Amino acid sequence: EVQLVESGGGLVHPGGSLRLSCAASGFTFSTYAMNWVRQAPGKGLESVSTISGSDGRTYYADSVKGRFTISRDNSKNTLFLHMNSLSPEDTAIYYCAKDRHYYESGSLKRDDAFDIWGQGTMVTVSS
Amino acid sequence: SYVLTQPPSVSVAPGKTATITCGGNNIASESVHWYQQKPGQAPVLVIYDDSDRPSGIPERFSGSNSGNTATLTISRAEAGDEADYYCQVWDSTSDHRVFGGGTKLTVL
Repeated sequence: EVQLVESGGGLVHPGGSLRLSCAASGFTFSTYAMNWVRQAPGKGLESVSTISGSDGRTYYADSVKGRFTISRDNSKNTLFLHMNSLSPEDTAIYYCAKDRHYYESGSLKRDDAFDIWGQGTMVTVSS
Repeated sequence: SYVLTQPPSVSVAPGKTATITCGGNNIASESVHWYQQKPGQAPVLVIYDDSDRPSGIPERFSGSNSGNTATLTISRAEAGDEADYYCQVWDSTSDHRVFGGGTKLTVL
């Protein structure tokens, strides 16, 4: 069974940092692009960042560019999101999501869909 | 950046057909994906690439995309279809994936 399990959320002060993790299982992790999507309380979905399977390409929303860094450890089937300079506007549930397309080369399809989602981890930025 | 416009809410009677739209400039040239999110749960992909259904999604869910509007259609609506629905595309301008604002579907 394909499964994504996020961890690392919590309460952090404004200006602080946090690292989220997403443990993947049930599929060949390195052959799928992965994503972080967030949802502020009572609000809609926002795609935060995308990383290709293994060729190093990364993409970010303008709202987090320069503050957040997406990375992955394919040897441990784990996705990360390093978040710096956090503000109350970053308060949200952060979901890990897998791309639908498989790429043996570790590439990605930029207009791909998110076919599997984790249950999310809550990040609260408050003093 | 590319803006996707969805109606905030749509209502449908049980057994009838619900239509949820997603507007965007020349959206027909994009691959549109649709997600269903029930309260307290993670989103679920219900339509990808405009009109394809993942395995396990009922045939009652269908999609289309033409001109400046993509559409999610739910036939024979059931109480269990009550949820928020989001459309999503790749924005070539910002080189990033974007979502519409979401539509709350009420079955009553």
